Amino acid sequence: KAGVTQTPRYLIKTRGQQVTLSCSPISGHRSVSWYQQTPGQGLQFLFEYFSETQRNKGNFPGRFSGRQFSNSRSEMNVSTLELGDSALYLCATHEGRFSYNEQFFGPGTRLTVL
Amino acid sequence: EDKVVQSPLSLVVHEGDTVTLNCSYEVTNFRSLLWYKQEKKAPTFLFMLTSSGIEKKSGRLSSILDKKELFSILNITATQTGDSAVYLCAVASHTGTASKLTFGTGTRLQVTL
Repeated sequence: KAGVTQTPRYLIKTRGQQVTLSCSPISGHRSVSWYQQTPGQGLQFLFEYFSETQRNKGNFPGRFSGRQFSNSRSEMNVSTLELGDSALYLCATHEGRFSYNEQFFGPGTRLTVL
Repeated sequence: EDKVVQSPLSLVVHEGDTVTLNCSYEVTNFRSLLWYKQEKKAPTFLFMLTSSGIEKKSGRLSSILDKKELFSILNITATQTGDSAVYLCAVASHTGTASKLTFGTGTRLQVTL
């Protein structure tokens, strides 16, 4: 089985721009969660999607948004980028709603905002 | 607000030592506690614990959960340099249709020769 794929792997943007990150889950996985990882804050939950519906959202401003498509692929968008948005963005996928023991992380997208 | 606290923040040990990593939590609607190992990029799953007092083991690693005192420990015996990594503790919670993982900031373990 192919693993979780995230694209792009690296991204450099300037303040004020917007960015779209993509996550393709393992075949059969319908749940996709997104996390932001920074050295100071660790891994912080952004959103969870299941069957194209956002089921939960973390404490991030409205500039962070996401969606899930019918093939379970998910995208997240960050508008009006700020320096503090520089981070590793990880997505994780699993088959069922709560099967976290079978959750697999993608390699991440490292976003640098200049 | 849900909170997961790990200690120590970092640890340097010699190969062959035994280490204990700690994780305490304050989470509403607790469902399970998970441990992950993160070396360079993606965290990899180690254990999921849902019941108190039942030890989970995998080779030299073991973990146990205490739901009364709201903490978990991860033990690594006979450490090897390949155990060097950041160990993350996360708590899964759900309310109705919403679920999420709350992570601690991790314990950075360095195993030296």
